[in-house]
Amino acid sequence: NAGVTQTPKFQVLKTGQSMTLQCAQDMNHEYMSWYRQDPGMGLRLIHYSVGAGITDQGEVPNGYNVSRSTTEDFPLRLLSAAPSQTSVYFCASSETGGSGNTIYFGEGSWLTVV
Amino acid sequence: QKEVEQDPGPLSVPEGAIVSLNCTYSNSAFQYFMWYRQYSRKGPELLMYTYSSGNKEDGRFTAQVDKSSKYISLFIRDSQPSDSATYLCAMSVSGGGADGLTFGKGTHLIIQP
Repeated sequence: NAGVTQTPKFQVLKTGQSMTLQCAQDMNHEYMSWYRQDPGMGLRLIHYSVGAGITDQGEVPNGYNVSRSTTEDFPLRLLSAAPSQTSVYFCASSETGGSGNTIYFGEGSWLTVV
Repeated sequence: QKEVEQDPGPLSVPEGAIVSLNCTYSNSAFQYFMWYRQYSRKGPELLMYTYSSGNKEDGRFTAQVDKSSKYISLFIRDSQPSDSATYLCAMSVSGGGADGLTFGKGTHLIIQP
């Protein structure tokens, strides 16, 4: 079973370029989210979705865009990459956003903006 | 003051020792507390999930929550080299994460063979 799959695993971007980090889950989970992990900062929530067609901002949404057209997919778009967006990005999902549900993380996407 | 404080370590202990990992937090609305283990270049993996105050045991792992002190702990008994990883505490108000998880910075644990 695949769980939460993220692509690409590694990417180097130039400042100003745009790109999309892909996230797919095969567990029919309603809730999906994106976090970024920076040294000394822990994981911080970027955007989340409680179901298809519904998205909301997390703690650090600026510079990122998301959409949720299907239950399975939750892509994260960098509109105009900046060096401050160099980070490790994790996609996560759970059955619902309610209590008692385990949150599963993907393997991560390492992004460097030069 | 950050919402969740966690000593980044590194914490180095000999194999077989009991390990104690801790987090403190400031938001009294947190009700759900989690510990994740993260190996290098991997995603976080859920170890323990606790609601409100109390203890929870799973094999060699015990999670404790003291809401009155805003303090949570993870104990690892009979530590093994394979336990070497970064341990992240996380907490939320709603549990399933609809309000997002608030993470500590993580403690880097090294178990010496």
